[in-house]
Amino acid sequence: GQSLEQPSEVTAVEGAIVQINCTYQTSGFYGLSWYQQHDGGAPTFLSYNALDGLEETGRFSSFLSRSDSYGYLLLQELQMKDSASYFCAVRNTGGFKTIFGAGTRLFVKA
Amino acid sequence: NAGVTQTPKFRVLKTGQSMTLLCAQDMNHEYMYWYRQDPGMGLRLIHYSVGEGTTAKGEVPDGYNVSRLKKQNFLLGLESAAPSQTSVYFCASSSISGTTSYEQYFGPGTRLTVT
Repeated sequence: GQSLEQPSEVTAVEGAIVQINCTYQTSGFYGLSWYQQHDGGAPTFLSYNALDGLEETGRFSSFLSRSDSYGYLLLQELQMKDSASYFCAVRNTGGFKTIFGAGTRLFVKA
Repeated sequence: NAGVTQTPKFRVLKTGQSMTLLCAQDMNHEYMYWYRQDPGMGLRLIHYSVGEGTTAKGEVPDGYNVSRLKKQNFLLGLESAAPSQTSVYFCASSSISGTTSYEQYFGPGTRLTVT
């Protein structure tokens, strides 16, 4: 089967750094993506890792270890507007099916 | 550039009624997807399409049908609505080439309630 696990909630303080982990189990693997979704809004793409290592985009970074079936999203210099749900997603080999995790709700406190 | 648009934004149906959700994209994307999102859960793939005239089943296809007669449109049909289909439905699209094929662009969603 295919599954992704990520924490349901994370709370952090404005200005801090937070890491959201994702472990996955799939029949094949093309890459790990991260999406952000504010309440009542649509998911928006943040980052994608196909190979092992760290990808950096501004305040956000994403890491992948294919041997450990593990990745994380790192958010630096947290702002109140970062309060949202964050989803990891994997696309399996040979198909176009993208499987999403249940999401991590991030609360940023002042 | 409107991106991905969905019609309608809200709908209330009675059990057994039918309806069609329309998704349109103006980015010339080959791939299109329909997801449903239930409270506290991630997105689950209902059906997807890799090009005009082609569709395929996702994780939760039962009770839904789709059509992609034009490249820019992807329709999701509910033939006989059930309360279990109460959800938020998102349409998404992505391009065909390279790493950008992993970036899905989502519409604003349709909030469907079946009573």
